[in-house]
Amino acid sequence: EPEVTQTPSHQVTQMGQEVILRCVPISNHLYFYWYRQILGQKVEFLVSFYNNEISEKSEIFDDQFSVERPDGSNFTLKIRSTKLEDSAMYFCASSETGLGYTFGSGTRLTVV
Amino acid sequence: AQSVTQPDIHITVSEGASLELRCNYSYGATPYLFWYVQSPGQGLQLLLKYFSGDTLVQGIKGFEAEFKRSQSSFNLRKPSVHWSDAAEYFCAAILTGTASKLTFGTGTRLQVTL
Repeated sequence: EPEVTQTPSHQVTQMGQEVILRCVPISNHLYFYWYRQILGQKVEFLVSFYNNEISEKSEIFDDQFSVERPDGSNFTLKIRSTKLEDSAMYFCASSETGLGYTFGSGTRLTVV
Repeated sequence: AQSVTQPDIHITVSEGASLELRCNYSYGATPYLFWYVQSPGQGLQLLLKYFSGDTLVQGIKGFEAEFKRSQSSFNLRKPSVHWSDAAEYFCAAILTGTASKLTFGTGTRLQVTL
C-alpha cells in the first residue's frame, strides 16, 4: 500500500535555528498538507498546497513557516527561527482528490 | 464556528465489551466525516469515512460509524474490543465541497482492561 514518508522521525534543534521537515507524498497525489500536534493536544491544520501554491493556511502558519515542493516528489516544511512552542509532532499528508488523506508517521520536533 | 467535538476525553472498557465513541460536529452543511486512530508515538491511520449515502459505514479493524444528521453526530462503534484497540481516536471533518482542511476533535483515549 502506498505510503507518505516523513524524515527525520525525530529532530532536536536549538531555539532560533532553522529546520526543514521533509515529506515524500504518494506519487499520484495532487494535494499536500502539513498538520501539527502539540503533545497532549489535538491535531491542528497548518497549510494545504495544490498546483504549486498554498491553497489555505491557518493562523498558526505565520511568516516563520514556509512550504515548498522543490523537485516534484518532496514536500518540505521550513521553520525559519524555531521557538520553544514549535515543539510538536508534525504530520505530512497527501490526497489524490482533496478528500481522504493519507498521513505520514510524523516528525517529532523538539526545540531546546 | 465550525467545530468537531468529542465529549469523552478518556474511556476505559473491558476486553470483549462493546465500544461507542462519540463525535458531534457543528457546520452549516453536512461535512465529510472521518475517524482516525493513533497508537502511541505513531501516525494517524484512517479507520473509516463518510461522504454520502448509507449512513452506516464500515471501516477497518471491525469498526463502524453511524451518521445521524438530526443529531449532528458520527459515533464510532465496535461490538467487541480487543486489547490492541487501546489508542487515541480522533474524529475529523472537511466542509462539504471544498478540498479543504481537516478539522479534528480533541480525541478520545481508549484504555482496554483485560
